[in-house]
Amino acid sequence: AQSVTQLDSQVPVFEEAPVELRCNYSSSVSVYLFWYVQYPNQGLQLLLKYLSGSTLVKGINGFEAEFNKSQTSFHLRKPSVHISDTAEYFCAVTPNSGYSTLTFGKGTMLLVSP
Amino acid sequence: KAGVTQTPRYLIKTRGQQVTLSCSPISGHRSVSWYQQTPGQGLQFLFEYFSETQRNKGNFPGRFSGRQFSNSRSEMNVSTLELGDSALYLCASSLGDRGNTGELFFGEGSRLTVL
Repeated sequence: AQSVTQLDSQVPVFEEAPVELRCNYSSSVSVYLFWYVQYPNQGLQLLLKYLSGSTLVKGINGFEAEFNKSQTSFHLRKPSVHISDTAEYFCAVTPNSGYSTLTFGKGTMLLVSP
Repeated sequence: KAGVTQTPRYLIKTRGQQVTLSCSPISGHRSVSWYQQTPGQGLQFLFEYFSETQRNKGNFPGRFSGRQFSNSRSEMNVSTLELGDSALYLCASSLGDRGNTGELFFGEGSRLTVL
């Protein structure tokens, strides 16, 4: 089985500052990794995914994440945040067979203030 | 390409009633998964259907059930509603078969309030 730990439930940050949202996972098999974003009263939207290859993955809206196999981490970063980035962010994992379901972390609320 | 469509978006029920939620996946997607989202428990997996068969199941009581039709549309049903069933129910679709990367495409959810 897989598990995901998002180390911060809330991350407050000022506009134009950099941010890192942390995600650690546990799995006995190789995995695919995802970050999703959820805006209020909406479903989840994919930000980026790691399937294989380069460990630095770039996504939408200027976000990127780095896969670190030895530390079983997949931290999300953005060099300069905007007010519109205020949302909840979810890290998720699935075995790389592609047939299993996604296991999600509890989420990190990113609060961007002016 | 149309996205995942969930109906209804909002509904209010009373304890003891039952509810049926509907999900239409992206065209060509054969897998539909359901998740329950609550502030306390986060996103919890309910079940996944692929080609009309339940392929995976989460740890929920038997009051929660689902089905998938030949056109891949899915419904989930919750019987004998309890206050704790108040949640956002999210449906997600994917290819589900060979070549699937596990990426899920989510609908906007059905927000259920149980009074």
